[in-house]
Amino acid sequence: GENVEQHPSTLSVQEGDSAVIKCTYSDSASNYFPWYKQELGKRPQLIIDIRSNVGEKKDQRIAVTLNKTAKHFSLHITETQPEDSAVYFCAAKDAGKSTFGDGTTLTVKP
Amino acid sequence: GAGVSQSPSNKVTEKGKDVELRCDPISGHTALYWYRQSLGQGLEFLIYFQGNSAPDKSGLPSDRFSAERTGGSVSTLTIQRTQQEDSAVYLCASSPQRGADEQFFGPGTRLTVL
Repeated sequence: GENVEQHPSTLSVQEGDSAVIKCTYSDSASNYFPWYKQELGKRPQLIIDIRSNVGEKKDQRIAVTLNKTAKHFSLHITETQPEDSAVYFCAAKDAGKSTFGDGTTLTVKP
Repeated sequence: GAGVSQSPSNKVTEKGKDVELRCDPISGHTALYWYRQSLGQGLEFLIYFQGNSAPDKSGLPSDRFSAERTGGSVSTLTIQRTQQEDSAVYLCASSPQRGADEQFFGPGTRLTVL
């Protein structure tokens, strides 16, 4: 089955700096790669996603890149703000279920 | 419109008891997922329903776990003879249709087994 590894497990940055979180996956059949943000005590919410036919996608301060050959994808957050502090999960999905990474706890220091 | 709802929000039970967790997906969503999230951990896939197809049960950790989805809508996750290691937040998510990938999560049920 699919295996998703996510790094780092914790990340601390100063407000205004950039943050990068990386994930690798094992199943070449996976074709959808979402990123979810989960604030403390709340449900995960989709912040950005990318499909296997695209190499990069950007939405304001958030971008995701995908390298299908190397089977890795990354989340980039620029100009970080304290409200970006949360746990971020990557996932890889084929036709059915999604496999999630273990999460990255991002702390943005004011 | 209403999002995914789950009940109860919190459940405390004694070891050995059975529990039922309920998920109401967004109306019209055909896909429904159950995940388990232990404290500080990621989302562990449990089971996936898609329309009238046979569910993908490959993530259920033991035969004490089962789930059903009645009428293609509401789903119930049942844990029999609960153990302390079952303590976690159980999250439900739904997606609009086959091929639509975004999952909309419910608020979860926090299960504590004493």
